[in-house]
Amino acid sequence: DAKTTQPNSMESNEEEPVHLPCNHSTISGTDYIHWYRQLPSQGPEYVIHGLTSNVNNRMASLAIAEDRKSSTLILHRATLRDAAVYYCILRPPNNDMRFGAGTRLTVKP
Amino acid sequence: ETGVTQSPTHLIKTRGQQVTLRCSSQSGHNTVSWYQQALGQGPQFIFQYYREEENGRGNFPPRFSGLQFPNYSSELNVNALELDDSALYLCATNWRTRANTDTQYFGPGTRLTVL
Repeated sequence: DAKTTQPNSMESNEEEPVHLPCNHSTISGTDYIHWYRQLPSQGPEYVIHGLTSNVNNRMASLAIAEDRKSSTLILHRATLRDAAVYYCILRPPNNDMRFGAGTRLTVKP
Repeated sequence: ETGVTQSPTHLIKTRGQQVTLRCSSQSGHNTVSWYQQALGQGPQFIFQYYREEENGRGNFPPRFSGLQFPNYSSELNVNALELDDSALYLCATNWRTRANTDTQYFGPGTRLTVL
């Protein structure tokens, strides 16, 4: 299975942009890149996904490298409610979701 | 609020016992996946059910089994509990269209403690 590598933790200041990196050098052509986040004491929640092109939604933006071996989740203005563990997941056509350890984001006021 | 509910919220069992965890979705999603999340780790995929049949399995032994009912609610059964089974068990549902783009909606989980 293709694997993702993320930093264990990152810190950000409130109302500043946050760039969360993810490396996936063994990604295959049919794998979608998904991001989920898990707030304290909750189940994971969907953030965004993409295949090749950059994507934007109301929560975040996803920037995908041209060779698809890395991607970056961008939170444009971090709030205290964005403090969570962020998971970058490669999703093959068989629909299994394989989570890694994720990046714990701390947002400082 | 994802509309996915799990019961019970917490559960304490002893080694060797059996446990049944339940999951339901208000949205009528036809696909359910179960995950095990140990403390400080990411969720690990156990298995998935689609239209009442197992549709994929992670690296878990056969004592982990499941059911999906016609109303798409689901059960996770674990036999012969071991101490290492202590974890948060998450279910996630989705309406299966194009498999690897479907958004999964997670419940809040059941915290299982095995003594």
